[in-house]
Amino acid sequence: QVQLQQWGAGLLKPSETLYLTCGVYGGSLSDYYWGWIRQPPGEGLQWIGEIYHSGTTNYNPSLMSRVTISLDRSKNQFSLELSAVTAADTAMYYCARRRYSTYDYIWFDPWGQGTLVTVSS
Amino acid sequence: DIQMTQSPSSLSASVGDRVTITCRASQSISTYLNWYQQKPGLAPQLLIYAVSSLPSGVPSRFSGSRSGTEFTLTINSLQPEDFATYHCQQSHRTPWTFGQGTKVEIK
Repeated sequence: QVQLQQWGAGLLKPSETLYLTCGVYGGSLSDYYWGWIRQPPGEGLQWIGEIYHSGTTNYNPSLMSRVTISLDRSKNQFSLELSAVTAADTAMYYCARRRYSTYDYIWFDPWGQGTLVTVSS
Repeated sequence: DIQMTQSPSSLSASVGDRVTITCRASQSISTYLNWYQQKPGLAPQLLIYAVSSLPSGVPSRFSGSRSGTEFTLTINSLQPEDFATYHCQQSHRTPWTFGQGTKVEIK
């Protein structure tokens, strides 16, 4: 059973770069998309972007100019970079595997445990 | 972007109650609609995919349905472990978008 475990800095200053990594345990990066989703305090979930095992990426247009998602096959992990953070980027950040089935149904499962990132001067 | 609007934003219910949560899409998403359950302090977990399909391990008291662009999550006979926040998510087109969540609290 695949499990995701994520880590990274939880406190950033405005203009710094957020960097989070998600390790994939009990399975391979192959044949799936791997994504990042965040949840600002008191708000709903927001999809940030995803990367296929081949390296193909999809990003949320609202964040595209600041986001980079990459993967390291040798370490079986993938990472999120979000540059020039502001207080609006304060959120719980989750990594997740994007699964799919016939008829192109897709969903996120499983999820990492979450990392609270606070941006404050 | 496809907007997903959930209602209500919160509700109070008792153990044994039947609970209904609605999610409306701003445009047609066919049957590309998922539900997630999120307990306090934990990550969301997949509850239902493709409107009404339950992953292995999800109790049958959970069900989903669709009428046009309106989707419904029903919990029959609410159990203590069901008190949580529920999120809908459209998987029709990127950017994948979620509803704002519905918190189910104990009455």
